Amino acid sequence: ETGVTQSPTHLIKTRGQQVTLRCSSQSGHNTVSWYQQALGQGPQFIFQYYREEENGRGNFPPRFSGLQFPNYSSELNVNALELDDSALYLCASSVETSRYNEQFFGPGTRLTVL
Amino acid sequence: AQSVTQLGSHVSVSEGALVLLRCNYSSSVPPYLFWYVQYPNQGLQLLLKYTSAATLVKGINGFEAEFKKSETSFHLTKPSAHMSDAAEYFCAVTAPGYGGSQGNLIFGKGTKLSVKP
Repeated sequence: ETGVTQSPTHLIKTRGQQVTLRCSSQSGHNTVSWYQQALGQGPQFIFQYYREEENGRGNFPPRFSGLQFPNYSSELNVNALELDDSALYLCASSVETSRYNEQFFGPGTRLTVL
Repeated sequence: AQSVTQLGSHVSVSEGALVLLRCNYSSSVPPYLFWYVQYPNQGLQLLLKYTSAATLVKGINGFEAEFKKSETSFHLTKPSAHMSDAAEYFCAVTAPGYGGSQGNLIFGKGTKLSVKP
């Protein structure tokens, strides 16, 4: 069974640019959640996608957007990058019918905004 | 609304000593509680979870946690620390649900565990 994978591992961008991060769900999972983990902090929920629709959103501005594809892989897009967007971005997949909503995390993408 | 407080951003123990990492939660509904571990430059790995069954939960790598409703606590313990336990530990809470924002994890700020030889 393949776990959650994310690409790229590391990324360096400059302020004002746009970035796309990618996530492949664990086999059999149809729900993907994205989290932002700033240095020294716990992960913060950005949004969740279920069956290709946004299904919940945290306290993040609209320049954070996403997509989920029919194979349940997902993208996180961030426009107009700001210095504070520098963080580890974690993707987690889960089975919608799981009563416990246990989420399985990928290794993350480290984004640095200069 | 749910929230998590982890007491102590850094905990240092000697190898073989008891590990105790503290977590208190706030939740308006019966919570589900989780402990995750994060090794340097890696994602999060689930250690254990409480989902309203037994209040004493056993996890991987010899860790366990006890849900105490009266104290709104879910502290993580391990009887004997090993060097390989050095990592950052996150407590998280969510509410029962089938996806959507109710089902998403709210994390504490984390506790970094150091193990001295």
